[in-house]
Amino acid sequence: QVQLVQSGAEVKKPGSSVKVSCKSSGGTFSSYAINWVRQAPGQGLEWMGGMIPVFGVAKYDQKFLGRVTITADESTSTAYMDLSSLRTDDTAVYYCARGGYRDVLTAPNSWGQGTLVTVSS
Amino acid sequence: DIQMMQSPSSLSASVGDRVTITCRASQAIGSDLGWYQQKPGKAPKRLMYGASSLQSGVLSRFSGSGSGTEFTLTISSLQPEDFATYYCLYYSSYPLAFGQGTKVEIK
Repeated sequence: QVQLVQSGAEVKKPGSSVKVSCKSSGGTFSSYAINWVRQAPGQGLEWMGGMIPVFGVAKYDQKFLGRVTITADESTSTAYMDLSSLRTDDTAVYYCARGGYRDVLTAPNSWGQGTLVTVSS
Repeated sequence: DIQMMQSPSSLSASVGDRVTITCRASQAIGSDLGWYQQKPGKAPKRLMYGASSLQSGVLSRFSGSGSGTEFTLTISSLQPEDFATYYCLYYSSYPLAFGQGTKVEIK
C-alpha cells in the first residue's frame, strides 16, 4: 500500500518561499502522477499542479504560474512543491496526492497527511 | 480549462435521509469524475471514480451517476458518520478541477 508522508508545518514571512516535501513508500514512484492540492482555512480544495516524475515535466494551474515549482527526486521517491512570493492568503494546508500511471491520469487515491503553511508577518 | 460547478454548497439532512449532490462540468468530460469525502482535519478520501465506480471499502449506500456534463453523488440513507464535506473532481487531463464542495450537516 502506498504511503505519502509530508514534511512538517512551516511558518513563513510574506515575500519568502516555502518548500514542502512528500515522500512515497510502498510502491513504484516514478511512473505515478503526484499532484499538489491546497486548502485555505474554511475553504475548498484547490489543485495547484502535478507531475509524473518519469516524464519530468510539471503542469500548473494558471493561478500559480510563476510562483510554484513542482519537482521530484526519483532516487529518494520524494516530490517537492516550492511556492515563492508568499502572501498571507497562501496560508493553507498543502496536500500531495497520487493519481494516475504514466500518461493516464486517475482520481488521486493516496494522500499525504497535509502540511500547514502559515504566512504571517 | 474545465470548471466544475457543485451544488448545493451546503445542506441539512437527518439520519436516514436520501441525499443528492450535483456537479456540472463546463464542457463534456465523459465519465472522468471522482467524488471525495472530507472530514475536519483529515485528508480527502476517494469515494467514487469513473463517475460511478465505488472505491473498494466504501459502503454501497454511496452511489454515483452521470456522464458528459452532469453528475450526481447519492447517499441512499444518511448515517451519522456521513456528515462531512463532499467534493467532485475532474481528473483526466491537466489542469485538474475540484467543485466548490458541499457541506452535509445534521438537521
